Amino acid sequence: EVQLVESGGGLIQPGGSLRLSCAASGFRISGKYMGWVRQAPGKGLEWVSAIYSDGAAAYADSVKGRFTISRDNSNGTVWLQMNSLRGEDTAVYYCAKVLLPWYFDLWGRGTLVTVSS
Amino acid sequence: EIVLTQSPDTLSLSPGERATLSCRASQSVSSYLGWYQQKPGQAPRLLIYDAANRATGTPARFSGSGSGTDFTLTISSLEPEDFALYYCQQRSNWPLTFGGGTKVEIK
Repeated sequence: EVQLVESGGGLIQPGGSLRLSCAASGFRISGKYMGWVRQAPGKGLEWVSAIYSDGAAAYADSVKGRFTISRDNSNGTVWLQMNSLRGEDTAVYYCAKVLLPWYFDLWGRGTLVTVSS
Repeated sequence: EIVLTQSPDTLSLSPGERATLSCRASQSVSSYLGWYQQKPGQAPRLLIYDAANRATGTPARFSGSGSGTDFTLTISSLEPEDFALYYCQQRSNWPLTFGGGTKVEIK
């Protein structure tokens, strides 16, 4: 089955760090663009970061300098390293595969990140 | 940043009726606009890309139109499973942005 599975979410204090993982199965991520989109509780969708097949990355201004996206094509995994976390980063984080730059045609079920003291 | 404004916020309709959802961009995005459907507790699902192209698995009752700054998602005859949230998204410029969503609810 073709799917993405996120992990690594949880409760973290403001200023802390978390690393989210996204494992792809049923397809190879090499040659594919990937991204992260988040959704705060009861709110709409917000694009967070995207990574090209060669590893080049783009970030939303709200996370630039704090979050880093990376990938390992051999393992079929994409990561989102999140540092200096703030309350406004609280959200469900979805990993997604890009259909053609830049729409997201395959999504994981998401992992919840809660930033609170 | 390109701001996408969706209207209405909520659309109350009955099964079998036609739904018309609007997405307006703060500047031209050419035809680089997509539509997603999201049901409670689920991830979004891509329905339409580049304004008018149905994604794999999207039923023919869903159609998209528009270019420049004004876009429309039309559901020709609502099925029970179509009652959900719908978001538009542009890929014309960084950062990628989504609209605020339109909820299609059962009247």
